[in-house]
Amino acid sequence: GEDVEQSLFLSVREGDSSVINCTYTDSSSTYLYWYKQEPGAGLQLLTYIFSNMDMKQDQRLTVLLNKKDKHLSLRIADTQTGDSAIYFCAVYSSASKIIFGSGTRLSIRP
Amino acid sequence: DAGVIQSPRHEVTEMGQEVTLRCKPISGHNSLFWYRQTMMRGLELLIYFNNNVPIDDSGMPEDRFSAKMPNASFSTLKIQPSEPRDSAVYFCASTLEGSGGELFFGEGSRLTVL
Repeated sequence: GEDVEQSLFLSVREGDSSVINCTYTDSSSTYLYWYKQEPGAGLQLLTYIFSNMDMKQDQRLTVLLNKKDKHLSLRIADTQTGDSAIYFCAVYSSASKIIFGSGTRLSIRP
Repeated sequence: DAGVIQSPRHEVTEMGQEVTLRCKPISGHNSLFWYRQTMMRGLELLIYFNNNVPIDDSGMPEDRFSAKMPNASFSTLKIQPSEPRDSAVYFCASTLEGSGGELFFGEGSRLTVL
């Protein structure tokens, strides 16, 4: 079945860039998403990219999509303490459902 | 709009008891999803409904779990009997199918089974 994989943890120094990676198996995914979950809260959509794009930039966020390798990444420039959260990669699958990765917990070092 | 509303926010119960979690999706949304989040397994899709009809329940762990959506504005997830390994945060999310798939999540129901 469809699968979305991402690493569980990432630690970066404040001010550096964070890069969170994700791989997926469903090559027919039309939308790919990054969701953010802050402590004690539900997930919120952070950004998304259509499958016919290879890059999308939104202020400090850059999403890169490599369809050939089925690889999605999220770069956060100038990472701040407020960026500490769990980041979920998700894909809209051919079965009309959204499949989430396990989430990457981003922690920020001073 | 008030967003997706879940209740209760927290539930502590004893093993063997019945647990009912409730969800009110965003008005106008026609797809509803139930997820479970644990440290060990991350976010798991349990079941989803489209136009109140269950489409895929392959993620429901076992027969102790059941979900219903009697109308467009209400869904329940029931666990009977509950077990300690059911302890998790249960999220409900809704979307308008065909809108690009953005899911709107509730704040979750944290279940602890002793």
